[in-house]
Amino acid sequence: DAKTTQPPSMDCAEGRAANLPCNHSTISGNEYVYWYRQIHSQGPQYIIHGLKNNETNEMASLIITEDRKSSTLILPHATLRDTAVYYCIVRGGLDRGSTLGRLYFGRGTQLTVWP
Amino acid sequence: NAGVTQTPKFRILKIGQSMTLQCAQDMNHNYMYWYRQDPGMGLKLIYYSVGAGITDKGEVPNGYNVSRSTTEDFPLRLELAAPSQTSVYFCASSRDSGYEQYFGPGTRLTVT
Repeated sequence: DAKTTQPPSMDCAEGRAANLPCNHSTISGNEYVYWYRQIHSQGPQYIIHGLKNNETNEMASLIITEDRKSSTLILPHATLRDTAVYYCIVRGGLDRGSTLGRLYFGRGTQLTVWP
Repeated sequence: NAGVTQTPKFRILKIGQSMTLQCAQDMNHNYMYWYRQDPGMGLKLIYYSVGAGITDKGEVPNGYNVSRSTTEDFPLRLELAAPSQTSVYFCASSRDSGYEQYFGPGTRLTVT
């Protein structure tokens, strides 16, 4: 599976957009980009995922560059409850011999939203 | 719908003791996973299961065993606890390998 690179920490003012970057320059054609977050001491929570098109759901938007080597998770109106560690994960495809959807977690980005 | 539940929440073990961490899900998911998370680090996969009766090793399986006799339950067994197994353990499940994983609240284990 492709490795990802994220900044160790970021902060954001409450009510502003939080833009979390992720580099995945070795991503292959059938690998998806997933985002999870982990609020202190809790289990990780799924946010969003995508293959090559931009995606949006009720929690966030995911922007993937055309070459797929990087992506940005956007929280449009950050709140104090969005303070968490955000993990960008590239998940293997479902081809024969794949890793059966395993998620490889790095250290993520600690996002702090301040009032 | 409780999702993924884990028991106990906390546990302290002495070196050499054994215990079973319980995990259950009520979403009828085929896939279940056990991860451990050391302080300041990401999660590492210990074992996973693709259905009842089928399990396989992840990145860090040494010192652990699992079984999957039913779709709902996926217990993790520590036979001879060691200080290196002090960690937070998370169980997760997903409908299939291509779907998002749902995580339990975790079990904080200390081995002294």
